[in-house]
Amino acid sequence: RKEVEQDPGPFNVPEGATVAFNCTYSNSASQSFFWYRQDCRKEPKLLMSVYSSGNEDGRFTAQLNRASQYISLLIRDSKLSDSATYLCVVNKLVFGAGTILRVKS
Amino acid sequence: GAVVSQHPSWVICKSGTSVKIECRSLDFQATTMFWYRQFPKQSLMLMATSNEGSKATYEQGVEKDKFLINHASLTLSTLTVTSAHPEDSSFYICSANHAGTGRNEQYFGPGTRLTVT
Repeated sequence: RKEVEQDPGPFNVPEGATVAFNCTYSNSASQSFFWYRQDCRKEPKLLMSVYSSGNEDGRFTAQLNRASQYISLLIRDSKLSDSATYLCVVNKLVFGAGTILRVKS
Repeated sequence: GAVVSQHPSWVICKSGTSVKIECRSLDFQATTMFWYRQFPKQSLMLMATSNEGSKATYEQGVEKDKFLINHASLTLSTLTVTSAHPEDSSFYICSANHAGTGRNEQYFGPGTRLTVT
């Protein structure tokens, strides 16, 4: 089993839609969790950290479920500019393979 | 703030030659930098952790004699791909740990696309 797993997608959604991704991790002792965004042929950029109590940043909400060992990212009111690959990262250094999001008008 | 640069952004070299990639933290000091490799449609794979003033720590399966890492100052780490072969063609990305923010966040360089012919 991979240490971090994500559904590769692509998720094709219309503008304005709400979309959610999950990411599962295998190491129950993992302490830190992040969501990064990577545009094609570019470096990853930190989107948000994921805190135990869940956290929100504008249209983006991140949740952590320790019992089931997954983190989630919810994007509300999707914009065309949200189209990218979303990478979940565990313990700062272990990357998932990414989930592709395509938002279409 | 927290800008990380890489040079070159892309390079094409012949099989058997060596290529050096630089990673610089432009506006902060980074005692720790990380080198990743990313193949198309795959995740970033950590290759090694570069520590200023000491030897790099390599991940399992990464040949330290092939991928030479030097972290001679608090703002510069270099990765040299020695005797490059076509299978080394990849996107190499560095990141630097910005401890100064208090959140120990990683900031990524823009990546270097290496093509070995």
